[in-house]
Amino acid sequence: EPEVTQTPSHQVTQMGQEVILRCVPISNHLYFYWYRQILGQKVEFLVSFYNNEISEKSEIFDDQFSVERPDGSNFTLKIRSTKLEDSAMYFCASSHTSGGAGEQFFGPGTRLTVL
Amino acid sequence: KNEVEQSPQNLTAQEGEFITINCSYSVGISALHWLQQHPGGGIVSLFMLSSGKKKHGRLIATINIQEKHSSLHITASHPRDSAVYICAVEKGTYKYIFGTGTRLKVLA
Repeated sequence: EPEVTQTPSHQVTQMGQEVILRCVPISNHLYFYWYRQILGQKVEFLVSFYNNEISEKSEIFDDQFSVERPDGSNFTLKIRSTKLEDSAMYFCASSHTSGGAGEQFFGPGTRLTVL
Repeated sequence: KNEVEQSPQNLTAQEGEFITINCSYSVGISALHWLQQHPGGGIVSLFMLSSGKKKHGRLIATINIQEKHSSLHITASHPRDSAVYICAVEKGTYKYIFGTGTRLKVLA
């Protein structure tokens, strides 16, 4: 069964460093998402991506964040200069459609620890 | 105030009990999703609802659009059902808004 994959599963970085989190969505999906979950808190929407551009982003997704689909399969989240408060689990998701029919399939997550 | 509220936050049940988890939302939605988050963190979709009721095995999900309320029921609960159950709504397009989750523990 097709699944969303994410790498790495755990990333440890120093404050101020750049990190890139990678996702491979399900191959025929058209919509891509990043969410984050700070330990002990609820999952929060970061950004959605369709047709090679950002569809919607939250207030969390500031200038330190960017997303890219560099080729036909990968979808990446870059954090330019990490802060301690960026420590969280980051989930990638993809769906074939959106807006009421768009069941999203989640990757296993990348745990980011910023020291 | 959260746009999606769940109750209870924590629930402990004995194996075999019937379990209900509730979700209320305050915004217009295009669909509501019930998700299961395992202890390791992975998120699995259980149901997507825009009206009525759906059943899958021992799980039943209902939604009342007028009352902006949904319930997830687990019949004949089992310790392997122990997880965090999350209600998420699609507001407009493109994103989920998540509830805070209900942590369920089923004791043998």
